[in-house]
Amino acid sequence: QKEVEQDPGPLSVPEGAIVSLNCTYSNSAFQYFMWYRQYSRKGPELLMYTYSSGNKEDGRFTAQVDKSSKYISLFIRDSQPSDSATYLCAMSATGGFKTIFGAGTRLFVKA
Amino acid sequence: DTGVSQDPRHKITKRGQNVTFRCDPISEHNRLYWYRQTLGQGPEFLTYFQNEAQLEKSRLLSDRFSAERPKGSFSTLEIQRTEQGDSAMYLCASSPSQGTFRYEQYFGPGTRLTVT
Repeated sequence: QKEVEQDPGPLSVPEGAIVSLNCTYSNSAFQYFMWYRQYSRKGPELLMYTYSSGNKEDGRFTAQVDKSSKYISLFIRDSQPSDSATYLCAMSATGGFKTIFGAGTRLFVKA
Repeated sequence: DTGVSQDPRHKITKRGQNVTFRCDPISEHNRLYWYRQTLGQGPEFLTYFQNEAQLEKSRLLSDRFSAERPKGSFSTLEIQRTEQGDSAMYLCASSPSQGTFRYEQYFGPGTRLTVT
């Protein structure tokens, strides 16, 4: 079993839809949770970073962490064609440097 | 441009040849990471430096792989006697070493290696 599980998709939505992306994990030591966006043939770009449980909002993006369920989510409101990319969840333990990534979910937003 | 840079962006080599990649991190970042990413997968951790010290190596990093960061600035990743299974995107990332920002890794554009 992988430490981080993420549905690879693809997920296809119409422009303006609310998108929900999710990851589950097994290591209870994870305390830091990140979401990265990766366009084709580019390096990942950090979108959101959350410590422990709770919500964090940044513009159209909201990250949620539920440590009791070992489940994290990224919501994208008013999705745009430019949001079409692969979204990677990532997590790390306190004091650690090793970040574990999910496999990524491919998102397509249709105009 | 103060982001992470990698060179070359693409490398095609024949099986058995040696290749070397370079990464220049964000200048004020002490930590530097190498990852490997294959199609349809997330980045897999290879190794990590804090300044010039290599503090961790993944078991994915066989004896054919070596990484250096001689002066705590740029880093090189060398693969000796390349195999077709080494074909992948090699990503470099950097982060600060202090505070909660040390968990925020900033990635370069990657070096895409194709072994024929």
